[in-house]
Formats: sequence, structure tokens, C-alpha cells
Amino acid sequence: NAGVTQTPKFRILKIGQSMTLQCTQDMNHNYMYWYRQDPGMGLKLIYYSVGAGITDKGEVPNGYNVSRSTTEDFPLRLELAAPSQTSVYFCASSPGTSKNEQFFGPGTRLTVL
Amino acid sequence: KQEVTQIPAALSVPEGENLVLNCSFTDSAIYNLQWFRQDPGKGLTSLLLIQSSQREQTSGRLNASLDKSSGRSTLYIAASQPGDSATYLCAVSPSSSGSRLTFGEGTQLTVNP
Repeated sequence: NAGVTQTPKFRILKIGQSMTLQCTQDMNHNYMYWYRQDPGMGLKLIYYSVGAGITDKGEVPNGYNVSRSTTEDFPLRLELAAPSQTSVYFCASSPGTSKNEQFFGPGTRLTVL
Repeated sequence: KQEVTQIPAALSVPEGENLVLNCSFTDSAIYNLQWFRQDPGKGLTSLLLIQSSQREQTSGRLNASLDKSSGRSTLYIAASQPGDSATYLCAVSPSSSGSRLTFGEGTQLTVNP
């Protein structure tokens, strides 16, 4: 199993540009999450999904959108990039049952100039 | 609102020393608590997960304890090695929904040869 994969690994955007961060998991997990991590800080939840077709806001959702059309994929969309969105973005998944342990992807480092 | 605090923010120890990392949380109504390891520029690796009904979990040289009533968890690392150098993150999920993690800011550990 590849686990949780994210693309791209790095990206530089200009202010106002748009992009989609891709996330895929092959563990058949029901739950998926997007977090952002600013330098020297812990992670903050942006959006999460408990199953295909179901999404909900986390702690810092402004400026982002998500969709969940399949169990495997959970893309994160930035519509109008701003310097405040410069961060490292992590996708995670969990089974949604029992311990519900979360497993993380390697991250996408985004810089908005 | 749940808040997670990790003390100390940074710790430097000589190789072979036993050490304790601390995590405290303000709301004791949690579903589980996870300890993660993060290497520079990398994603998060799950180390231990303690469910709310448990008091501790062990994996190799690592032992994590949980005291829900006092809102505290500790991660004990025995016989530390230079390869243990990393940032250690603590995260809790609420009992109302065993999914959304709230993270602490982490403890940066350096083990000197």
C-alpha cells in the first residue's frame, strides 16, 4: 500500500492564482482531512470528510474548498491565492471506526508571492 | 474550545538519557490522543494512540500515558538515540466526533552523540 499520497510536493503561486492540491489514499478509509502547518506551529484543520459526498469545515476553512466524489480522493482547492496561505499542507485519512488512527501524507509546501 | 500545550518547546539531551515529553489539554472529553513524530521537511508518523478508556500504550522504547481527569499525557523515551532527534507532536480528538484532531505546537528534541 502506498498509504496517503499528495501532489505536488512543492508549488509557488502568484497572488490571485488558483490551484488544486491532490490527495489520494489506498487504505479504503472513510475519513479524510486537510491540515495546514505554519512554521514552528502545530497543525490546524482546514476541512474534513466522513465519506464520499460529505464534507465539513474545520478550524481554518476560509479561502479553501473541497470535494469528495470518491472514497480515495480528497482534493483541496485554493481559488484566489493570498500570501497568508503560504504554508505546508498535509492530507490525512483514518478508517472512521474503532481507534480511528490518522495517517498522514508527505505534505505539499506552498509559497504565495 | 480545546487547547493543547506541549512543554518544553525544545529539549537537548545526551545520548542514552531517558526523557519525558509533556502534553496538556483543556477539555477532558476526548475520544483518543495520538503522539506523532515529524522529521524536518517531512510528514507526520504516528507513534502511539491511546484511547480514552486506556491509561497507557507502549511501543519499543516509547511509552505514552494518559490521565484524562487532569488533562495530561506524557511520552517517555528510554535510552535515547541520535536517531530520535525530531519534533514530537501531541494531538487529541473530541469525544463527540472521534475524528478532528487538535494539535499542540510540538517539542523539538535533539539527542547529542
